[in-house]
Amino acid sequence: DQQVKQNSPSLSVQEGRISILNCDYTNSMFDYFLWYKKYPAEGPTFLISISSIKDKNEDGRFTVFLNKSAKHLSLHIVPSQPGDSAVYFCAASALGGTSYGKLTFGQGTILTVHP
Amino acid sequence: AAGVIQSPRHLIKEKRETATLKCYPIPRHDTVYWYQQGPGQDPQFLISFYEKMQSDKGSIPDRFSAQQFSDYHSELNMSSLELGDSALYFCASSLGGGGEQYFGPGTRLTVT
Repeated sequence: DQQVKQNSPSLSVQEGRISILNCDYTNSMFDYFLWYKKYPAEGPTFLISISSIKDKNEDGRFTVFLNKSAKHLSLHIVPSQPGDSAVYFCAASALGGTSYGKLTFGQGTILTVHP
Repeated sequence: AAGVIQSPRHLIKEKRETATLKCYPIPRHDTVYWYQQGPGQDPQFLISFYEKMQSDKGSIPDRFSAQQFSDYHSELNMSSLELGDSALYFCASSLGGGGEQYFGPGTRLTVT
């Protein structure tokens, strides 16, 4: 039962353009969402997060949008750079419950930014 | 800035052997999480500790145990290793049992 889904296994974008990575979730108890970037043989690197009380959070080139009614979030990277090429994981947690913040991950999307 | 430290980075064991993975959280972080990532899979939550007490448990086999020590470092003990235990094991830490988790580089366990 995949509670967090990233339906696009890969995404290819030209340098300078916008990258949009999508994520859907099914568990309505999730109230905190995070995006991680991962290179091979390294641990996930935290990028940006959003609480369910917000619908947008921005940090430099990265913006996360949350649509609670659709149970959908997206990560926008503008402008995309070749160094952004990596696997991007969406993750969710239920901070309001008793889970103490354990993360449920999506399957990941491989982003390739071409020069 | 100091990051999460995991040791060893690579470990090769034979079936039925035991393994111990160590995690040193970011200074002042009081919560540690363990995740397992199999080949081509997303990380799966195993277990977490908050202030040295087990706070949550996921899909962790009974053959595995873990604890968090007084200095907040954590150890994951794995016994009777099986081929299917071969995976990347990540430790993450956070402050206050929620919010952003910061991951270590992982330990790659290979069981032969």
